[in-house]
Amino acid sequence: QKEVEQDPGPLSVPEGAIVSLNCTYSNSAFQYFMWYRQYSRKGPELLMYTYSSGNKEDGRFTAQVDKSSKYISLFIRDSQPSDSATYLCAMKGGSEKLVFGKGTKLTVNP
Amino acid sequence: GAVVSQHPSWVICKSGTSVKIECRSLDFQATTMFWYRQFPKQSLMLMATSNEGSKATYEQGVEKDKFLINHASLTLSTLTVTSAHPEDSSFYICSAPPPLAGGNEQYFGPGTRLTVT
Repeated sequence: QKEVEQDPGPLSVPEGAIVSLNCTYSNSAFQYFMWYRQYSRKGPELLMYTYSSGNKEDGRFTAQVDKSSKYISLFIRDSQPSDSATYLCAMKGGSEKLVFGKGTKLTVNP
Repeated sequence: GAVVSQHPSWVICKSGTSVKIECRSLDFQATTMFWYRQFPKQSLMLMATSNEGSKATYEQGVEKDKFLINHASLTLSTLTVTSAHPEDSSFYICSAPPPLAGGNEQYFGPGTRLTVT
């Protein structure tokens, strides 16, 4: 079993839809959870950062962490065509090493 | 916010030659930088951790004699791909944790696309 599992998609939604992106993980030592957005041929851009369990909201984005289920989610409300990108979950424990999911490719259609 | 740059953004080289990629932290000092490799439709795979003033730490399966890392200053780390082969063609990305993030966040460079012919 991989440390981090993420459905690569692709996921295609109409503009204005609510998008749900998810990752599961197996390492209970992970405590820091991030979501990155990566446009084609660009470096990842940090979107959301969450410590331990709970929710965090930033504009149209909401990150949720459920450590008991080892499951994290990113919700995008009122999705826009500019949200079309690959979304990578990443997590880490006590060391500085980030472990990434494969990424989910999202397309928001106008 | 913290900015990390990479140079070049795109390079083509012939098989057997060496290529150097630079990673710079533009507005903060980074004692640690990370080098990742990303193949098409794959996730980022950590290659090595670059430590200023000391040897890099390589992940299992990464040849340290092939991927030479030098972290000579607090704002610059370089990755040299020696004797490059077509299978080394990939997207190479560096990252650095900004100083006040406690090591729990990383900012990524824009990546360098290497094509070996």
